[in-house]
Amino acid sequence: QQPVQSPQAVILREGEDAVINCSSSKALYSVHWYRQKHGEAPVFLMILLKGGEQMRHEKISASFNEKKQQSSLYLTASQLSYSGTYFCGTEWDAGNNRKLIWGLGTSLAVNP
Amino acid sequence: SAVISQKPSRDICQRGTSLTIQCQVDSQVTMMFWYRQQPGQSLTLIATANQGSEATYESGFVIDKFPISRPNLTFSTLTVSNMSPEDSSIYLCSVEGTGRTYNEQFFGPGTRLTVL
Repeated sequence: QQPVQSPQAVILREGEDAVINCSSSKALYSVHWYRQKHGEAPVFLMILLKGGEQMRHEKISASFNEKKQQSSLYLTASQLSYSGTYFCGTEWDAGNNRKLIWGLGTSLAVNP
Repeated sequence: SAVISQKPSRDICQRGTSLTIQCQVDSQVTMMFWYRQQPGQSLTLIATANQGSEATYESGFVIDKFPISRPNLTFSTLTVSNMSPEDSSIYLCSVEGTGRTYNEQFFGPGTRLTVL
């Protein structure tokens, strides 16, 4: 089942904060976060593992709530370079078939 | 991290023809993935290609339509066969990294395909 991302779109002014959520109806092993700028390939941000700790990439951090099967991406003091579409990719087991099931994405626009 | 190149970067093809997309990685990797992405949409996994074994296709994708080769640990091809306008999309290959974090994926720049 495809994870559900919310919100679908966010518009921020530079310096503002935002939270993007990724929820699954199925128990997760890991959640990956990627950012894709227009016309470019997705770029890996971070991975949250079941039972793992909160991760951070520059001023972007993420957490994984196993009880809710939800990961949240926290963008603090947003910069213009944060603009793009954020995708979560979810993984259900740690087996050899390590494919990701992707959310529909959250479009983030940071304006001056 | 891994550096991935794809050829061609874009192409315009006629209905009924086939196009082979190449994916080259600068290091040996076990798992490679082929995705399709419509502009403004999410990523849809077509198949997983492991060297030395048959590709594993996702529901809705079949080998006759999207044959994949994986001759070695640095290279793979995806062929889009008997194309129709519905095949117009961006095709991306990705590989699983061997960096400090567990199984992150690195993506190639993509192949933008338009079928007339």
